[in-house]
Amino acid sequence: GIQVEQSPPDLILQEGANSTLRCNFSDSVNNLQWFHQNPWGQLINLFYIPSGTKQNGRLSATTVATERYSLLYISSSQTTDSGVYFCAVEVYVSDYKLSFGAGTTVTVRA
Amino acid sequence: EAQVTQNPRYLITVTGKKLTVTCSQNMNHEYMSWYRQDPGLGLRQIYYSMNVEVTDKGDVPEGYKVSRKEKRNFPLILESPSPNQTSLYFCASSLGRSTEAFFGQGTRLTVV
Repeated sequence: GIQVEQSPPDLILQEGANSTLRCNFSDSVNNLQWFHQNPWGQLINLFYIPSGTKQNGRLSATTVATERYSLLYISSSQTTDSGVYFCAVEVYVSDYKLSFGAGTTVTVRA
Repeated sequence: EAQVTQNPRYLITVTGKKLTVTCSQNMNHEYMSWYRQDPGLGLRQIYYSMNVEVTDKGDVPEGYKVSRKEKRNFPLILESPSPNQTSLYFCASSLGRSTEAFFGQGTRLTVV
């Protein structure tokens, strides 16, 4: 099956700092999403981004499908940005499944 | 408000006592699926459904059943729960292939 690798595994930031999270995948994908899992365990949709660039407030994401990677940018980080960030991809085969990376745990300190 | 609703949010049960976790979506989505999340193992798919009365196994289906009698509902059934099914469970739905998936709030299940 497809391999999804996220880096770094852990990230500690001072409030106000910027950061970049990376997601590499081993095959062509038809769907790529970024999620934020908050401390209560909820998975929050951040971006649906199989290709191109999107921005939403202080967050933005870029997917370069031909090179099989996606980047999530967090600017001016806040303590509420803490949590685990997951990249998930879908490959077009006979089944239907999102394959998740292991996540990047972000801790933002005040 | 468009959403995927799971119930219950938290459940502690005993080994062997049948339970059902409900999942309902109000977005008229065709596709629904169940995942479990475990430390060190990430999120893994249990079952999925691409339409009413159409279900199929994911990566870890053993010990679980599902049904899709209506488009909006996709319950997860544990006929005889065991401690190794203690996990955080998520239901998800999407309009179709290669479209954005939306997740429920999660159900934290403990089997003792």
